[in-house]
Amino acid sequence: GAVVSQHPSWVICKSGTSVKIECRSLDFQATTMFWYRQFPKQSLMLMATSNEGSKATYEQGVEKDKFLINHASLTLSTLTVTSAHPEDSSFYICSASPVTNYGYTFGSGTRLTVV
Amino acid sequence: GDSVTQMEGPVTLSEEAFLTINCTYTATGYPSLFWYVQYPGEGLQLLLKATKADDKGSNKGFEATYRKETTSFHLEKGSVQVSDSAVYFCALSEGGGSSNTGKLIFGQGTTLQVKP
Repeated sequence: GAVVSQHPSWVICKSGTSVKIECRSLDFQATTMFWYRQFPKQSLMLMATSNEGSKATYEQGVEKDKFLINHASLTLSTLTVTSAHPEDSSFYICSASPVTNYGYTFGSGTRLTVV
Repeated sequence: GDSVTQMEGPVTLSEEAFLTINCTYTATGYPSLFWYVQYPGEGLQLLLKATKADDKGSNKGFEATYRKETTSFHLEKGSVQVSDSAVYFCALSEGGGSSNTGKLIFGQGTTLQVKP
């Protein structure tokens, strides 16, 4: 149980375009999901907390207008990287948990490359 | 704020060697503690967890004990295999009990390389 699916697993886009990444909880409902960013050989940095039916909560230093988060249902959160630039190239990972302290399940990640 | 510190890697071991990856934390509440493993090009998989002091999490031969007195959660395995080669992350859940925010704070990760 507690499966999180993330799509796409990798994407290449041109500078200036937008990319949408989906995160789905397959066998549980998640009122809260989390989006992380991971640079090569580095740890995960929390970008934002996605809240179902309300605005996302962004961590300090994360541009909310560049990284748009929508959590329209209890099983789906999306992260849209708008007007992407090469410095946005990274590994993006989402996570969710059916209940607090269960242990968060992570998606398989999305490798974004902006050229 | 809360933080997690892991030993720097890479850690290189021969197959069947004993593994210890140190993890210490600072937290204002009573966090839950986790170890995650990441294989190349993949997301994170929960390896084990502990939710309160003196709890021992274990899975696939790995174990870690929540030590409140030393604020540590060291990962151990008695005999590593080549297939254990991966990056290991120690993490805590921010806040604790009713103050749990759901956010995870990660250590910097430790790369383990196991040679045949």
